[in-house]
Amino acid sequence: AQSVAQPEDQVNVAEGNPLTVKCTYSVSGNPYLFWYVQYPNRGLQFLLKYITGDNLVKGSYGFEAEFNKSQTSFHLKKPSALVSDSALYFCAVRARISGNTPLVFGKGTRLSVIA
Amino acid sequence: GAVVSQHPSRVICKSGTSVKIECRSLDFQATTMFWYRQFPKQSLMLMATSNEGSKATYEQGVEKDKFLINHASLTLSTLTVTSAHPEDSSFYICSARGTSPGETQYFGPGTRLLVL
Repeated sequence: AQSVAQPEDQVNVAEGNPLTVKCTYSVSGNPYLFWYVQYPNRGLQFLLKYITGDNLVKGSYGFEAEFNKSQTSFHLKKPSALVSDSALYFCAVRARISGNTPLVFGKGTRLSVIA
Repeated sequence: GAVVSQHPSRVICKSGTSVKIECRSLDFQATTMFWYRQFPKQSLMLMATSNEGSKATYEQGVEKDKFLINHASLTLSTLTVTSAHPEDSSFYICSARGTSPGETQYFGPGTRLLVL
């Protein structure tokens, strides 16, 4: 079975400081990994994904994430946080098998960037 | 990225009525569509998965006769909440994906349903 853990319900960061939102996963075989962001009363916006290749993935709005197979982690990072980055962030995983396997989401981490 | 639209964005209805929510992939062919439900301050709960032209696969605990899903074309899926009750009030989000391995799953903006 697939699962995603986001150990922090809330992350608070001062504007201009680096931010990290943690994610670990469990899946059989190699995973597809995704990060999404959700603003209030909106759907999810795709940020970035890891499929194969370079373990460091760069995405939208200056975000990046590093795939660490040994630690089964895919932490989201940004060098300098903006107040506008404040939102709910979801990590998701999907196994590399054929068929209609849906994404499995973590519970989400609320990021608050303080000016 | 690809665009998924959802309509209506917000609906208020009386208990006992049915509500239809449309989900469209605007710039790609969505062979698979997903319907999620999200409660306040919680993660997304997968309700069902549908392929174009096939019956939807419902998750355990989701009543297929209450939440009717139709995926009639590669760009349109509908969710009908039949005989809605106040406990069906929620935020419903659709998602669409193509067929390539590692394909990104794109999400609609969501529909806020309030049943009075």
